[in-house]
Amino acid sequence: DAKTTQPPSMDCAEGRAANLPCNHSTISGNEYVYWYRQIHSQGPQYIIHGLKNNETNEMASLIITEDRKSSTLILPHATLRDTAVYYCIVRDSFGNEKLTFGTGTRLTIIP
Amino acid sequence: NAGVMQNPRHLVRRRGQEARLRCSPMKGHSHVYWYRQLPEEGLKFMVYLQKENIIDESGMPKERFSAEFPKEGPSILRIQQVVRGDSAAYFCASSPNSLAGGHAQGEQFFGPGTRLTVL
Repeated sequence: DAKTTQPPSMDCAEGRAANLPCNHSTISGNEYVYWYRQIHSQGPQYIIHGLKNNETNEMASLIITEDRKSSTLILPHATLRDTAVYYCIVRDSFGNEKLTFGTGTRLTIIP
Repeated sequence: NAGVMQNPRHLVRRRGQEARLRCSPMKGHSHVYWYRQLPEEGLKFMVYLQKENIIDESGMPKERFSAEFPKEGPSILRIQQVVRGDSAAYFCASSPNSLAGGHAQGEQFFGPGTRLTVL
């Protein structure tokens, strides 16, 4: 069962920052927060992951609260191509464990 | 470096037939995962394999489903005597043996999927 809670859907205007929240109140000390997205009918795509520090890469930023019970994925300048289902996943990074997908957030970028 | 390849992309079978789905992981990856996505649902883990070994099959149905990842060649997900409820998108993912090429630790790379339709 997924260990995360996400809103089922969100809209964001094109060019604006999209902020996707995720609650993971039962996260344990050795578990990382991963974000993947699935653009319609395609295979999921890795976005970013983090443990406790904020992370940034060419796709997005990840903000993790100090108590690690929640996080926010930020797409700084959303484009229409960012319309997808976004999955927040908690897992132990040092194994090669399966990914447990929840229902995710369906993000729609509005022109 | 080619990505994860899956074939066929679309597969149509009649009830009772067998379905064979193939997955070629990325070069240098020896970990393969299979996931299933039923219509309008999220992805569900099925099985995790390394070369010649099944590591975790906790998501595999008890009957009719099997998976292998031989020493040579692609990983195969086999579904015997398919039923309409097997209609779904089947995704394969692979991950590297170790940190390499700047990839995130534990990152899984997904293929485009095989869409199985059972008539």
